[in-house]
Parts: sequence; C-alpha cells; structure tokens
Amino acid sequence: GDSVTQMEGPVTLSEEAFLTINCTYTATGYPSLFWYVQYPGEGLQLLLKATKADDKGSNKGFEATYRKETTSFHLEKGSVQVSDSAVYFCALRGGGYQKVTFGTGTKLQVIP
Amino acid sequence: DVKVTQSSRYLVKRTGEKVFLECVQDMDHENMFWYRQDPGLGLRLIYFSYDVKMKEKGDIPEGYSVSREKKERFSLILESASTNQTSMYLCASSFEGRSTDTQYFGPGTRLTVL
Repeated sequence: GDSVTQMEGPVTLSEEAFLTINCTYTATGYPSLFWYVQYPGEGLQLLLKATKADDKGSNKGFEATYRKETTSFHLEKGSVQVSDSAVYFCALRGGGYQKVTFGTGTKLQVIP
Repeated sequence: DVKVTQSSRYLVKRTGEKVFLECVQDMDHENMFWYRQDPGLGLRLIYFSYDVKMKEKGDIPEGYSVSREKKERFSLILESASTNQTSMYLCASSFEGRSTDTQYFGPGTRLTVL
C-alpha cells in the first residue's frame, strides 16, 4: 500500500537558517503530493502541493519538487522565521482515491 | 474560505461513556474524514464518507462508528469510550474524487478518557 516516510524531529534551527525536511514515498500510479502545516493548537492546513513529476509547489517561501525518479518531495526554505515553528506533514493522494496517506510529521522549532 | 468546524476543542469523558464528536463543513464537499493524531504516529484515518449515508472504514475503525445524515455534517461516535481512545481527533473535508484536491481540516478535538 501507499506510505510516506519523513525525517524524525524535532528539528531546531536558528532564525534565518536554511531548512530541509526530507520526505520519500511509496505509491502505485501517479499520486499527488502535499505538504501540510500544523501550527500550535490548530488543525492542519495546506502549505503546498504538486500533482505531477517535476512540478514544484511553493508558498510562503517554502518549496518542494516532485521527484519521481527518487520518489521524494523534500520541503525547503531558504531563511526560516520564528513564526515557521510548527509540525510539518508530508502526504500523498493516489489517483482516483479519496484517501490521503500522511507521514508521521516533523516538528520544527526556530529560535531567535 | 472553506470552514470546517468541530463541536468541541476539549472534551473529558469517563470510560464506558458514549461520546459524539461533531464536524460541520460549509463548502458543499462530498468527502468527509475522521482522523486521530497521536505523537509519533502522525494522522491515522478512522472512517471516511463520500456521500450522505455512505461510509468507508479507514485504517483503524475498531471501537468507532460514524454517521452522515446530511451532506455538511459528519459525526464520529465512540460507543463505549476507553482510555486508549484518548487522542486528538481531526475532521477534514474535500471535493469528490480528484487526487489533486486539498483536504481542509477543522481545529481538532482533544479527547481525554479517564
């Protein structure tokens, strides 16, 4: 079945540091890939998505590229801020199915 | 903006009680979902519904049931709450079918079973 593996957290960075959160997936067919973010005390919200190979999703300075050859969708940001502190979830949705498979989440803490 | 609301942010119940968690969405979405979120386990799908009165089991349906009598409302029922059901419960909704569609989440209900 489908699965998503993302790096263990927590990740602690200083403000303005470069961020990478790794995500790899296993799926049949051609899934869509997502990054969701959960700020403290809130539900998840979509951060960005990519729907086909080589697509790059981007939002709020974050970006991720759909790499089919390496089955990866790593999240990056060039300069993190304290307000980026949250839990980040990588997810995929297979073609034709409603179900979304989530990774276990990576907690990011950015210190001033 | 899509809005998904959940009836309670925090809930404390006793073992054996029947518990209802309510979720309402205002965007006429066909699909609705219930997840539980636990540290180290991420989100696990309990049940989902793709139409009124239709439901499908997710990955961990044991001990839960659901009800969808109206398109906008999806209820999660714990028939006899147990301590291992202490968790954060998240409701989500999305449009029908297309894999590109985003899921929209409610704020969550943190349930404690004593």
